Amino acid sequence: GPKVLQIPSHQIIDMGQMVTLNCDPVSNHLYFYWYKQILGQQMEFLVNFYNGKVMEKSKLFKDQFSVERPDGSYFTLKIQPTALEDSAVYFCASSLNWGNYAEQFFGPGTRLTVL
Amino acid sequence: GDSVTQTEGLVTLTEGLPVMLNCTYQSTYSPFLFWYVQHLNEAPKLLLKSFTDNKRPEHQGFHATLHKSSSSFHLQKSSAQLSDSALYYCALGENNAGAKLTFGGGTRLTVRP
Repeated sequence: GPKVLQIPSHQIIDMGQMVTLNCDPVSNHLYFYWYKQILGQQMEFLVNFYNGKVMEKSKLFKDQFSVERPDGSYFTLKIQPTALEDSAVYFCASSLNWGNYAEQFFGPGTRLTVL
Repeated sequence: GDSVTQTEGLVTLTEGLPVMLNCTYQSTYSPFLFWYVQHLNEAPKLLLKSFTDNKRPEHQGFHATLHKSSSSFHLQKSSAQLSDSALYYCALGENNAGAKLTFGGGTRLTVRP
């Protein structure tokens, strides 16, 4: 079936540095998402994105976070600067349609450790 | 606000026995409910979702029924298989403008021979 890829699978970074998480969504999908899962907690919505714009974001999407998808390449989540509380698994997802009935296809996640 | 509760963090049972994983929710609007399954080192994948035509969704032997009266969407299977061992997430999407899922904490199902 359709697959979402995430690169890298693991990232270790020092607090204060910048990190970029990459997502390769399903090829014909138009809508993109990031979710954050802190160890032992539930997955939480961060942001969704369509046609070059953030459509919705949660309170977890801090000012240090940004997303983009330049020229149809990777959909990226950038954190600058990173903080200890950013340590989590970040899941990317994509969907063909908009709306909460639409199936979101998830990647396997990137485990980010901030030291 | 929206929330999803999965009361069991861990469920262990023997192959061939029935499976029931609990999911209850709180929602402001009429919701869509989903079950995602995540096998080890893989991505979460949609297992099934609620429909508005009252048809009971089924997939890979699993089924779930949306009960609005009790705000529940429990996942069931009549006979567990070893390959069912995985992490199961219940998720909610509001039936309003927007596209974001609210997840439960997940239930790790282990099926033993």
